[in-house]
Amino acid sequence: QKEVEQDPGPLSVPEGAIVSLNCTYSNSAFQYFMWYRQYSRKGPELLMYTYSSGNKEDGRFTAQVDKSSKYISLFIRDSQPSDSATYLCAMSAGYQKVTFGTGTKLQVIP
Amino acid sequence: GAGVSQTPSNKVTEKGKYVELRCDPISGHTALYWYRQSLGQGPEFLIYFQGTGAADDSGLPNDRFFAVRPEGSVSTLKIQRTERGDSAVYLCASSLNAGRGGELFFGEGSRLTVL
Repeated sequence: QKEVEQDPGPLSVPEGAIVSLNCTYSNSAFQYFMWYRQYSRKGPELLMYTYSSGNKEDGRFTAQVDKSSKYISLFIRDSQPSDSATYLCAMSAGYQKVTFGTGTKLQVIP
Repeated sequence: GAGVSQTPSNKVTEKGKYVELRCDPISGHTALYWYRQSLGQGPEFLIYFQGTGAADDSGLPNDRFFAVRPEGSVSTLKIQRTERGDSAVYLCASSLNAGRGGELFFGEGSRLTVL
């Protein structure tokens, strides 16, 4: 079993839809939870960074962490064609390697 | 430069050859990470440095892979006797401090193709 599980998709939604992306994990030592966005043939870029449980909002993006369920989510409101990319969840225990999910490919149809 | 710089951006080599991939991190970032990404997969951890020392090299697949960071800045990933299965994008990332647990800034990657 992988430490971090993520549905690879692809996920296709119409413009303006709310998108929900999720990951589960098995390592209870993880304390830092991130979402990265990766466009084709580019390096991943950090989108959201949270520590421990709770919610964090940044514009159209909301990240949620539920450590009791070992489950994290990213919500995108009013999705735009420019949001079409692969979204990677990532986690770390701090001062250790960062472990990534496989990524979910998202396509927002105009 | 402002971001993480990786060279070469593309490298085509023959099976059995030696390859070096270079990473120039963001100035002042003490932590440096190497990942490997195959098509349709997430980045797979190889090694990370805190300063000059390898803090965790548990992801290096075998002894053909080696990485150095002699002065705590630029890092080189070295692959000996390349195999076709080594073909992937090799990503480098840096972080202000590994204790912040994942605020990584990635380069564009070095795409390695082994024929």
